Amino acid sequence: NAGVTQTPKFQVLKTGQSMTLQCAQDMNHEYMSWYRQDPGMGLRLIHYSVGAGITDQGEVPNGYNVSRSTTEDFPLRLLSAAPSQTSVYFCASSGLPLAGHEQFFGPGTRLTVL
Amino acid sequence: AQRVTQPEKLLSVFKGAPVELKCNYSYSGSPELFWYVQYSRQRLQLLLRHISRESIKGFTADLNKGETSFHLKKPFAQEEDSAMYYCALTSTDKIIFGKGTRLHILP
Repeated sequence: NAGVTQTPKFQVLKTGQSMTLQCAQDMNHEYMSWYRQDPGMGLRLIHYSVGAGITDQGEVPNGYNVSRSTTEDFPLRLLSAAPSQTSVYFCASSGLPLAGHEQFFGPGTRLTVL
Repeated sequence: AQRVTQPEKLLSVFKGAPVELKCNYSYSGSPELFWYVQYSRQRLQLLLRHISRESIKGFTADLNKGETSFHLKKPFAQEEDSAMYYCALTSTDKIIFGKGTRLHILP
């Protein structure tokens, strides 16, 4: 099992550019989520999904879109990058219900927006 | 409201000294609590969960429902314990992370 994979590992964007952060898992997990990690702010939930075709907003969804067309994949799209989106992004997955299931995290994508 | 509080952003401890990372929670039901750890430039990974009541890498955590706490403890700190530690609470449909505590082990 590869677990949770993320691409790219690093990315530099200019303000206004768009891009997609990829996330995939091979554990047949129903639940997938995206977090951003900033110093002093901990992990903040951006979007999450409880299954294919179902997505919902987390704590900080503005400026980001997601889709879940398959169980395995959960891409995060930045529509028009802003310097405030400079962060480290983590994808996570787990079984359901959340209670009692461990979250498995990807290796992260370090994004810089100039 | 459901909430997880880690009061210390940074905790510096000498090697060999005891470690206690604090975690307090607010939840109306029966919570399931976890500690996750992130070593430098690595992904977050599960350290331990209260249900299993086990010791991992010398760390233990006891759920105290009266004090609504789930503090992480280790009797003798090691240099390799330096990392970011997150306390997390899960309910049926939600997971809430604390803001994390950076543990720095001094030589």
